[in-house]
Amino acid sequence: AQSVTQPDIHITVSEGASLELRCNYSYGATPYLFWYVQSPGQGLQLLLKYFSGDTLVQGIKGFEAEFKRSQSSFNLRKPSVHWSDAAEYFCAVGLNQFYFGTGTSLTVIP
Amino acid sequence: NAGVTQTPKFQVLKTGQSMTLQCAQDMNHNSMYWYRQDPGMGLRLIYYSASEGTTDKGEVPNGYNVSRLNKREFSLRLESAAPSQTSVYFCASSEPGIGMNTEAFFGQGTRLTVV
Repeated sequence: AQSVTQPDIHITVSEGASLELRCNYSYGATPYLFWYVQSPGQGLQLLLKYFSGDTLVQGIKGFEAEFKRSQSSFNLRKPSVHWSDAAEYFCAVGLNQFYFGTGTSLTVIP
Repeated sequence: NAGVTQTPKFQVLKTGQSMTLQCAQDMNHNSMYWYRQDPGMGLRLIYYSASEGTTDKGEVPNGYNVSRLNKREFSLRLESAAPSQTSVYFCASSEPGIGMNTEAFFGQGTRLTVV
């Protein structure tokens, strides 16, 4: 069965610090993997996606993610967090249907 | 480019009332989806439509019906609203297949409260 696990419900980081959000997936085939961001009261915006090739993918807003097949993981990283990065982050897997994790809420301390 | 448009943005219903949430996309996508978002539960798929004329149940279909009116529009109907259906509803669309164009595009959501 397809599923996505985001083990961290809430993370707090200081502005300028590095960030890593964890994502583990279960999928029966080669996974298409996504990270979305949701600002309060808004819809979901795609940050980045992976479907093949280089396992380190670059996205918008300075985010990157690394696909590790052996660990079934697709962790999101950012070297230096900005206050505007405070939001809810969702990892997703799928191709013709999309399965989402429960999300990680990010708080940024000035 | 409007993308995915949902109406209404907010709605309050009384228990037992019915309503239809509207969704339209202008990206010529074949697939459309309805999700609900609840605190701590992420997004759960209610129904999806892989192409015009087809619909399938997702993870949480009970209490809902859908209509894929044409390629652009996919509506979600609550026949008899219940407080448990208080949620934020998102419509999404995608172009299924292989390759970098596969991703879901989301509307801004409908915040529904059932009292």
